[in-house]
Amino acid sequence: IAGITQAPTSQILAAGRRMTLRCTQDMRHNAMYWYRQDLGLGLRLIHYSNTAGTTGKGEVPDGYSVSRANTDDFPLTLASAVPSQTSVYFCASSTSSYNEQFFGPGTRLTVL
Amino acid sequence: GQNIDQPTEMTATEGAIVQINCTYQTSGFNGLFWYQQHAGEAPTFLSYNVLDGLEEKGRFSSFLSRSKGYSYLLLKELQMKDSASYLCAGPAVYGNNRLAFGKGNQVVVIP
Repeated sequence: IAGITQAPTSQILAAGRRMTLRCTQDMRHNAMYWYRQDLGLGLRLIHYSNTAGTTGKGEVPDGYSVSRANTDDFPLTLASAVPSQTSVYFCASSTSSYNEQFFGPGTRLTVL
Repeated sequence: GQNIDQPTEMTATEGAIVQINCTYQTSGFNGLFWYQQHAGEAPTFLSYNVLDGLEEKGRFSSFLSRSKGYSYLLLKELQMKDSASYLCAGPAVYGNNRLAFGKGNQVVVIP
């Protein structure tokens, strides 16, 4: 059982490029989340999805978009990356909103 | 916004006890979570409190006071592997039944 996986593990990206971070879970969880974690700022919610076909904005959604075409996958897209988006990105899932969240291993993204 | 408050860092010796505090907004409360995060790794779930009082899970215990918007995590018989950041998570100020995480408290265990 894989749980929740993310790809890539790390990436260096030129500013202005488009990038999609992938997240897949096999736990049949309804809710999924994208966070970014920055030193001194902690984990901040970017976007979330309560169930397949729905998405919502978190605390820091600007510059990011998500889709939830099915239960398992929740990709995060940076349409035109900027250096301030350099961060560690964690995907998480839970059976429903406000439940225990299971986190993926993270993607370390550097935008130059 | 950052409505979950935690102190930032503490050092303790092996075998000691440490208490990590967390305060949160009380509106929209559906429970308080604690997570452990080792350096370079993802957060992992430790505990969940929704009722007042102490919940014990082996060496780790978590306490909640809903009226005070306060929780603490107690780590007993500290081991080197307990060196990690401890995050509390509670209701987000921006609502929508979302969790907001504190910035975490870094615990460093020394021999």
